[in-house]
Amino acid sequence: IVLTQSPGTLSLSPGERATLSCRASQSVGGSFLAWYQQKPGQAPRLLIHGPSTRAPGIPDRFTAGGSGRDFTLTISRLEPEDFAVYYCQQYANSPTLGQGPEREPTFGQGTRVEIK
Amino acid sequence: QVHLEQSGAEVKRPGASVRISCKPSGYPFTSYYLHWLRQAPGQGLEWMGIISPRSGSTSYSQKFQGRVTMTTDTSTATAYMDVTSLISEDTAVYFCTRGTVTPLARFDYWGQGTLVTVSS
Repeated sequence: IVLTQSPGTLSLSPGERATLSCRASQSVGGSFLAWYQQKPGQAPRLLIHGPSTRAPGIPDRFTAGGSGRDFTLTISRLEPEDFAVYYCQQYANSPTLGQGPEREPTFGQGTRVEIK
Repeated sequence: QVHLEQSGAEVKRPGASVRISCKPSGYPFTSYYLHWLRQAPGQGLEWMGIISPRSGSTSYSQKFQGRVTMTTDTSTATAYMDVTSLISEDTAVYFCTRGTVTPLARFDYWGQGTLVTVSS
């Protein structure tokens, strides 16, 4: 499953609303889609999965949803620490460790949210 | 709290091999699947494979099949990934991640990353 994120870069000011899109080449079964945040020099961090369940400790200004092929991550009011790169990832195609046809998870290419 | 500690940066010649270690803590080592991913400089994220620490079963991305081996040592609660026949395009930060109690490839916790530089 190929994931295409848009826009590539989002230039916004603190306090503004950010809407990020992730479109899949085919339907993502079970809505097994996750969003990650990555800051420079750091590992990614899981934000939301499944497709709207926030990971522990993630503030409620982060919301996500969608189904089928189209998914969205929304940051209601950008805080300075939210400027980062965001990746979507599908895990509907997860490995089976030999218990069936092997499948692989995939990521989108990322959306950079930068300070305007 | 869950923490995954990875080994330090490596510099390797083309054709060499590298072993990266990952030591999780804060949860029962054999209860969760572990995944390895990598990120080339300025690029996106790429899944490499999965291992069950309980059984040792593995599954590798087709791209890395034959060049990557993932293992675990339950006596020390440590995971390892060996990558052989390194080329310059293998220069990347390699991450170990904790998945879920099933093989669902969702990456709930991440190690800090290990930079592997392949250069002559």
